[in-house]
Amino acid sequence: QLQLQESGPGLVKPSETLSLTCTVSGGSISSNTYYWGWIRQPPGEGLEWIGSIYYSGSPYYNPSLKSRVTISVDTSKNQFSLKLSSVTAADTAVYYCARGGDSYYDAFDIWGQGTMVTVSS
Amino acid sequence: SHVLTQPPSVSVAPGQTARITCGGNNIGSKSVHWYQQKPGQAPVLVVYDDSDRPSGIPERFSGSNSGNTATLTISRVEAGDEADYYCQVWDSSSDHPGWVFGGGTKLTVL
Repeated sequence: QLQLQESGPGLVKPSETLSLTCTVSGGSISSNTYYWGWIRQPPGEGLEWIGSIYYSGSPYYNPSLKSRVTISVDTSKNQFSLKLSSVTAADTAVYYCARGGDSYYDAFDIWGQGTMVTVSS
Repeated sequence: SHVLTQPPSVSVAPGQTARITCGGNNIGSKSVHWYQQKPGQAPVLVVYDDSDRPSGIPERFSGSNSGNTATLTISRVEAGDEADYYCQVWDSSSDHPGWVFGGGTKLTVL
């Protein structure tokens, strides 16, 4: 059964870069044609899509974050990663990685448990 | 970008039917997905492609989508259904296509 697990620092200083990794287990990230995504949720707020990437293609980013976000895939490690630069307190959130379908129109059907990232000096 | 509008809260008595709406311009032309999120937990997909249920989701959960409104319907509501619910679509209507979530609806079981 496919599982996703986020990892990375729980505390990041303002103006620095937030870096998270999602490790995929129970299946290969490149064996099927899926989109892989990052979604975040500030405390007490709703879900916000950050960006998604096809294992072999170009990423899509939320326009509101596009200038600061980089998502990449490492098929050798069965992982995909998120980098968010120049963070502020507004980037404090639970960050989730999730698997999409093989089409833009598909749902995110498998989610990681989420990891809390706090931006503070 | 595509804006999805959900009521902040819906309340229903146990055994009754809850309806949670997701409004958007011509949303009926899009595939809508619904997620359930309980406190401290990751979201769980409960309805996809407007009205299909993933394996393991009770038949009490159903969905519909037409015109400018998609609806998640939960029949015979149980205390365990109390959660936040989010709708989501793929929005290709702008110069910056992407995935969009509604603001979420808190379902309270009275």
